[in-house]
Amino acid sequence: KAGVTQTPRYLIKTRGQQVTLSCSPISGHRSVSWYQQTPGQGLQFLFEYFSETQRNKGNFPGRFSGRQFSNSRSEMNVSTLELGDSALYLCASSLAMFAGAVTDTQYFGPGTRLTVL
Amino acid sequence: KNQVEQSPQSLIILEGKNCTLQCNYTVSPFSNLRWYKQDTGRGPVSLTIMTFSENTKSNGRYTATLDADTKQSSLHITASQLSDSASYICVVKGTNAGKSTFGDGTTLTVKP
Repeated sequence: KAGVTQTPRYLIKTRGQQVTLSCSPISGHRSVSWYQQTPGQGLQFLFEYFSETQRNKGNFPGRFSGRQFSNSRSEMNVSTLELGDSALYLCASSLAMFAGAVTDTQYFGPGTRLTVL
Repeated sequence: KNQVEQSPQSLIILEGKNCTLQCNYTVSPFSNLRWYKQDTGRGPVSLTIMTFSENTKSNGRYTATLDADTKQSSLHITASQLSDSASYICVVKGTNAGKSTFGDGTTLTVKP
């Protein structure tokens, strides 16, 4: 079974631009979560989707948005990029309705490395 | 505020030696605690998942323990190998369906 895939793997943008990242979950998984990982802040939760509905959202500004499609694929968008948005963006999928549920195991993708110049 | 603190921040050991990583949390009420291994440049991989009723869970050379009373967990690695060099992240979730709280991780380096 194929794992979680994320595209692109690497991305370089300049301040003020916007970016869209894509995540394809493991086949059959309906829950997708997004995380930002930086050396200084560690892993931080962005949002979680289940069946095209956002179930949870982390403490990030409105410039960060996401969506999930009917085939469970998900995208996240960051508008008006800032230098501090440079990070590894990780996507994780799971079978359970809520990420972190008792019986849930999240499977992470390799991440998209975003660099903002 | 829910917090997860991991110690030590980094650790260097020789191949073949054992080590123990610590995770203290304040998340309450508690639902489950997970340990992840993250190799450099890759996404985290789940090692163990424990609920409040479980004290110990093993996955090969990895053994996690949980004391829900003191809100402490540990990850013990036995007979370390070079491939164990990675960041180990502790994640705790409360009973309310919602966000999990992540620790900052412990960076383990295993040297030959």
